[in-house]
Amino acid sequence: DAKTTQPPSMDCAEGRAANLPCNHSTISGNEYVYWYRQIHSQGPQYIIHGLKNNETNEMASLIITEDRKSSTLILPHATLRDTAVYYCIVLAGGTSYGKLTFGQGTILTVHP
Amino acid sequence: GAVVSQHPSRVICKSGTSVKIECRSLDFQATTMFWYRQFPKQSLMLMATSNEGSKATYEQGVEKDKFLINHASLTLSTLTVTSAHPEDSSFYICSASGGGSLAKNIQYFGAGTRLSVL
Repeated sequence: DAKTTQPPSMDCAEGRAANLPCNHSTISGNEYVYWYRQIHSQGPQYIIHGLKNNETNEMASLIITEDRKSSTLILPHATLRDTAVYYCIVLAGGTSYGKLTFGQGTILTVHP
Repeated sequence: GAVVSQHPSRVICKSGTSVKIECRSLDFQATTMFWYRQFPKQSLMLMATSNEGSKATYEQGVEKDKFLINHASLTLSTLTVTSAHPEDSSFYICSASGGGSLAKNIQYFGAGTRLSVL
């Protein structure tokens, strides 16, 4: 699976949009981009995933560049409860046996 | 939907004892379950992958005789840490993924179990 690169930390003001970048320049054609987050001392939480089109759900939006070499997770109105470690993971889709490889992620701190 | 329950949330045990951790998918059938370990200030490390009714597949460096995994049904997997020692103290997290209406390759995680071995 392709390797991803994320900034180690980011800050965001409460109520503002949080834009978390991820670089995955070696992504293959059948690999999806998944985002998870882990709030302190809890299990990770699935946020969103996509292949090449932009995706939106009740939690976030995922913007994937046309060449698929990078993506951005957008939390449109960040709250204090969004403070967490955010993981961008690339994984081939289509099976239920995909193993997630968690890197160091981005520590997002939302401040008042 | 897609709730995974993990029990217990915290356990303290003496060195040499065995500890069992349960992971249940409450509202879906989990084709595959995963077990992770997370040490303080580190990321999650996959320990093993298990499919219902078959033997678990362990990651390199994980002792299968020490970390016994059973996935006897589509809603339950257990991890038993045998003869636990202080170095096994860690945060253990399970996840489950399923077929049907749930998108494949999305893993739903339990809340984790914090194991402290004295």
